[in-house]
This record gives sequence, structure tokens and C-alpha cells, in this order.
Amino acid sequence: GDSVTQMEGPVTLSEEAFLTINCTYTATGYPSLFWYVQYPGEGLQLLLKATKADDKGSNKGFEATYRKETTSFHLEKGSVQVSDSAVYFCALSAADYKLSFGAGTTVTVRA
Amino acid sequence: DSGVTQTPKHLITATGQRVTLRCSPRSGDLSVYWYQQSLDQGLQFLIQYYNGEERAKGNILERFSAQQFPDLHSELNLSSLELGDSALYFCASSVEHSGGANEQFFGPGTRLTVL
Repeated sequence: GDSVTQMEGPVTLSEEAFLTINCTYTATGYPSLFWYVQYPGEGLQLLLKATKADDKGSNKGFEATYRKETTSFHLEKGSVQVSDSAVYFCALSAADYKLSFGAGTTVTVRA
Repeated sequence: DSGVTQTPKHLITATGQRVTLRCSPRSGDLSVYWYQQSLDQGLQFLIQYYNGEERAKGNILERFSAQQFPDLHSELNLSSLELGDSALYFCASSVEHSGGANEQFFGPGTRLTVL
């Protein structure tokens, strides 16, 4: 079945550091790929998405590129802020529309 | 604010009891999804409804059931509750159109604590 594997955390960074969270997937067909973010005490918010190979999703300084050849969708941000502290989830949606999530990566950014 | 509302925000109950969680989707969204978030299982898909009909089932226990009403709001019923059912329950909604990314919008969740 469909599955998502993302790097385990927690990840602790200093402000202005570079952030990468690795995500790989297994799916039949051509899924859509997402990154969701969950701030403390809140629900999930869509951060960015990509619907086909080589698409790059971007939002709030975060980027991820849909790589079909490596079945990956790694999240990157060049300069993190304290406000980026959250749990990040990689997810995919295939033909059945439901979302399959990775385990989540907790990111803490220190001032 | 995603436009998806969930009530109640918190629910504390005892083992063996039955509870109902409610979700109102974004205006215009026909699909409703229920997810469970727990420390040991992560985020898991439970069930999906589309315009009143059950569309897909995931890892939903037989003690759990759901429905979507004509006004498109949905309820998740959890019965014979066990300690392990303590979790955050999220509802999400989407337009669900073919060929799109089917972006899902999540509600704030209901935190269920079973004592």
C-alpha cells in the first residue's frame, strides 16, 4: 500500500540555519505530495504541495521538489526562524484521495 | 482559520462509554475525512464520506462509526471506549475534483481522553 517515510526527529537548529527534512514515498501510480505543518496545540495546515514529477511547491520560504526518480519530496528552508518551530508531516494522496502521512518531524529553532 | 469546525474541543470520559464528535466542513466541500492522531500510531486515516456516502475506510475499529448528513456535516461515533482510544481526532474536508491535488483542510481537532 501507499506509505511515506520521513526522517526522524527531533531536529534542533539555531535561527538562520538551513533546514532539510527528508521524505520518501511508496505509491502506485502518480500521487500528489504534500507537506503539512502542525504548530503547538493546533491542527494541521497545508504548507506546500506538488502534483506531478519535477513540480516544486513553495510557501513561506519553504520548498520541496517532487522527484519521481528517487520517490522523494524533501522539505528545505534556507534560513529558519523561531516561529518555524513545529511538527512537519510529509503526506501523499493517491487515486483514493485519502492522505497517508509520515511519522512527523519535530523541529525546534533556538534564538 | 481553515473553515473546518470541530466540536467539542476537549472530551474527557470513562472506559466503556460512548461519545460523538462533530465536524462541519468548509462551505462547498463535499468530502469529509476523519483521522486519528496518537503518540504510538501517528496520524492515521479512519474513514471518508463524499456527499453523504461512505467512500473509503482505513484503520477504523468496528467500535467506531461515522456518518455524513444531508447538510454535509459529519459525526464520528466512538463506543465501548478503551484507554487506547485517547487521541486527537481530526476532521478534514476537500472539494475532491478529479485531476487536482485534492488539498484537504483540517479542523482544529477534538482531544479525547479516556480515563
